[in-house]
Amino acid sequence: QKEVEQDPGPLSVPEGAIVSLNCTYSNSAFQYFMWYRQYSRKGPELLMYTYSSGNKEDGRFTAQVDKSSKYISLFIRDSQPSDSATYLCAMNGGATNKLIFGTGTLLAVQP
Amino acid sequence: DSGVTQTPKHLITATGQRVTLRCSPRSGDLSVYWYQQSLDQGLQFLIQYYNGEERAKGNILERFSAQQFPDLHSELNLSSLELGDSALYFCASNLGLSSGRYNEQFFGPGTRLTVL
Repeated sequence: QKEVEQDPGPLSVPEGAIVSLNCTYSNSAFQYFMWYRQYSRKGPELLMYTYSSGNKEDGRFTAQVDKSSKYISLFIRDSQPSDSATYLCAMNGGATNKLIFGTGTLLAVQP
Repeated sequence: DSGVTQTPKHLITATGQRVTLRCSPRSGDLSVYWYQQSLDQGLQFLIQYYNGEERAKGNILERFSAQQFPDLHSELNLSSLELGDSALYFCASNLGLSSGRYNEQFFGPGTRLTVL
């Protein structure tokens, strides 16, 4: 079993929809939870990060962490065609800064 | 633009060959991370260097090696290449602060390696 599981999609939604992206994990030592966005043929870029459990909001994006369930989510409100990308969850904790990534969810927002 | 540069952008080579990928971290960053991204495995951590010293190791094959030089640029050497080594290789950098604190990693544009 992988340490981090993420539905690869693809996920196709109409413009303006609310998008929900999710990851589950197995390592209870993880403390930092991140969402990266990766456009085609580009490097990942950090979108959101949270520490421990709770919610964090930044514009149209909301990240949620539920450590008791080992489940994290990213919500995108009023989705735009420019949001079309692969979204990777990542997390770390414990003794190193090593990031463990999910496999990514490919999102397509249709105009 | 993250400030991390990687060369070359694309590399096409044959099985059994050896290649070197180069990474220059953001100005001021001391730590460099190497990742491999393939379609079936996703983004996999390979190795981390901090100020010239190896700090952490992930799923790096024995055929692969890396180093970080005094000017803080890093090279990833891949030898005895196999078809399955075809992937995107990313370098990331950050200050490399001690564990227990959040430490964003900034990714370069990647090198696409194709082994024929």
